Amino acid sequence: GEQVEQRPPHLSVREGDSAVIICTYTDPNSYYFFWYKQEPGAGLQLLMKVFSSTEINEGQGFTVLLNKKDKQLSLNLTAAHPGDSAVYFCAAGTGNYKYVFGAGTRLKVIA
Amino acid sequence: GGIITQTPKFLIGQEGQKLTLKCQQNFNHDTMYWYRQDSGKGLRLIYYSITENDLQKGDLSEGYDASREKKSSFSLTVTSAQKNEMAVFLCASSIGDRGGAEQFFGPGTRLTVL
Repeated sequence: GEQVEQRPPHLSVREGDSAVIICTYTDPNSYYFFWYKQEPGAGLQLLMKVFSSTEINEGQGFTVLLNKKDKQLSLNLTAAHPGDSAVYFCAAGTGNYKYVFGAGTRLKVIA
Repeated sequence: GGIITQTPKFLIGQEGQKLTLKCQQNFNHDTMYWYRQDSGKGLRLIYYSITENDLQKGDLSEGYDASREKKSSFSLTVTSAQKNEMAVFLCASSIGDRGGAEQFFGPGTRLTVL
C-alpha cells in the first residue's frame, strides 16, 4: 500500500530563515495531498490541500510544491517566525476516503 | 464553523482494562475517523465510518472496536489496554467526498496505561 516518507524529523531554523519539509510518496495514483500543522496539545489544522493537477500552491508565508515525476511534495516556509514552531504532517490519498500520513516534522523557530 | 469534541482529554487505565473514547462532531459530516498517534510514527488509521451505519477497519484495528452511534458521534474501545502503553488518539471528520475532502481533527485523547 501507499507509504509516505517525511523528512527531516526535526528541523531548527532562525527567525526569518526558510524551512523546507519534504514528503516522498509511493502510490502513483495519489491525487490528493494535504499539509497539516499541529501545535502542542491540539489536533491537526489544515494548512493546504493540493490536487495533483497543480504543481505550485501558495499560502500565507509558505509555498507547496508537487513534483509528480519524483513523487515528492514539499512545504517551504519562506520566512519562518516563532509562531510557526509546531509539528507538520503531510498526507496523501487516492480518493478512497483513506489518507496516509507522514511521520511528522518537528519545527523549531528560534527568535 | 463546527467543532470536534473528544472525551476524555486524558485517560489513565490499568493493564487489561477495556477503555472507551468518545468523539462528537457538529459539522454534519458523513465520514468519521479514529487515528492513533505515536511519537515519531505519524498517524495510523484504526477505524473509519463512511456514513452513519458504516464501519471500516483501518490498518491498526486489531485490539480495538468502534461504534458509530449516530451521524454526529463515533466511539472507540480499546478492548484490552497494554501495560506501559502511551499514545494520543485523534478523531477526525470530513464531508466524505471521494474527491479528497479535508479532514477536521479533534484535540485528542491522551492514553496512559499503568
